[in-house]
Amino acid sequence: DIQLTQSPSFLPASVGDRVTITCRASQGINNYLGWYQQKPGKAPKLLIYTASILQSGVPSRFSGSGSGTEFSLTITSLQPEDFATYYCQQLKTYPITFGQGTRLEIK
Amino acid sequence: QVQLQESGPGLVKASQTLSLTCTVSGDSISRGSSFWTWIRQPAGKGLEWIGRVYTSGSVHYNPSLESRLTISLDTAKNQFSLRLTSVTAADTAVYYCATGREAEWFDPWGQGTLVTVSS
Repeated sequence: DIQLTQSPSFLPASVGDRVTITCRASQGINNYLGWYQQKPGKAPKLLIYTASILQSGVPSRFSGSGSGTEFSLTITSLQPEDFATYYCQQLKTYPITFGQGTRLEIK
Repeated sequence: QVQLQESGPGLVKASQTLSLTCTVSGDSISRGSSFWTWIRQPAGKGLEWIGRVYTSGSVHYNPSLESRLTISLDTAKNQFSLRLTSVTAADTAVYYCATGREAEWFDPWGQGTLVTVSS
């Protein structure tokens, strides 16, 4: 299985901050990486797919980059509704796997 | 727009079979190129991909569950289902159904249903 390791696991930040979450794959996955946001008690929401393509309806303050084994999700100018847990996901190889999550918390 | 809704028992006894159904509205499960997927999340933990059935009926399962798992389509009811046998406490989780069009980027998801395995 391809392991996805996110860092950091916890990220304290303030409204207006710019933050970056990293996802490292245990082997190369080209650009077959997506990012999800999950709020407590809710299903995850797709933010970005194919490493850098913004899902329809997602604010432009979210962006993704990377290829191979190193990927990042950046949120510029954090808004109150952005405090949530973020997961990366790969679909290069079955089984599909997710990172362990990064919890973005209010500082 | 496509909407998904999970249904099934919230409590299953250990060693028995967990059965869930995902009802799809707003689209036909047999149209296009869609991946109808089950994902689960134990309380306070991360996401685990369980498996999927493609529009054609072909399946792909997580090897960690494959020996106990069946995912299938019911085109007449516009539903797909999950069946997991010989459950243990480790199968206690929120179970989500989700779909990906053309590729396995999951959007939308169902709201999720909590399944507790009791001893």
